[in-house]
Amino acid sequence: QKEVEQNSGPLSVPEGAIASLNCTYSDRGSQSFFWYRQYSGKSPELIMSIYSNGDKEDGRFTAQLNKASQYVSLLIRDSQPSDSATYLCAVNVGGSQGNLIFGKGTKLSVKP
Amino acid sequence: DAGVIQSPRHEVTEMGQEVTLRCKPISGHNSLFWYRQTMMRGLELLIYFNNNVPIDDSGMPEDRFSAKMPNASFSTLKIQPSEPRDSAVYFCASSFGGFTEAFFGQGTRLTVV
Repeated sequence: QKEVEQNSGPLSVPEGAIASLNCTYSDRGSQSFFWYRQYSGKSPELIMSIYSNGDKEDGRFTAQLNKASQYVSLLIRDSQPSDSATYLCAVNVGGSQGNLIFGKGTKLSVKP
Repeated sequence: DAGVIQSPRHEVTEMGQEVTLRCKPISGHNSLFWYRQTMMRGLELLIYFNNNVPIDDSGMPEDRFSAKMPNASFSTLKIQPSEPRDSAVYFCASSFGGFTEAFFGQGTRLTVV
């Protein structure tokens, strides 16, 4: 069974702090990794994708990938109350025919 | 682009009734996914299609569930007969190729009473 694991949280950080979200996956053959944000009552929306080992930065968001450790993380700098949401890690398994598996998500709360 | 379109947005039905959920993927996308989301189990993959062909339906909970994709622009998820434990939000998502990100529809909130 191919799995994606995340801490469910809730993770609470003060406004302006760095929020760190983590994810591990079981399929060593996975090549594509994504972070989605989901507000309550809404559908998941893509915020970051990463395909190579190392860091990828986009504004206040940085995704980090370590394939040897089967580990993906998302850092949110200068956290804002509007970042309060559930963050879902998604991993492609099954190669080019694209089976996308999600973790259960980490609930982030940013306190003003 | 209008994005992934799902209908209906909300569905309330009585136990035993047939329910059909509909999805129109983004034009040009060749992968389509059906997910179910509950508080307890999170976002579960039910089935996914590649080029209109079902690739993996191992997530379909039981024979009461069926999905079809008759063409590249339309898919249905059917539950017959429905049960209260089927109550959840059902999402459809599509992507262009297996390695790329998926885009979600607004979801269908199903309540079976």
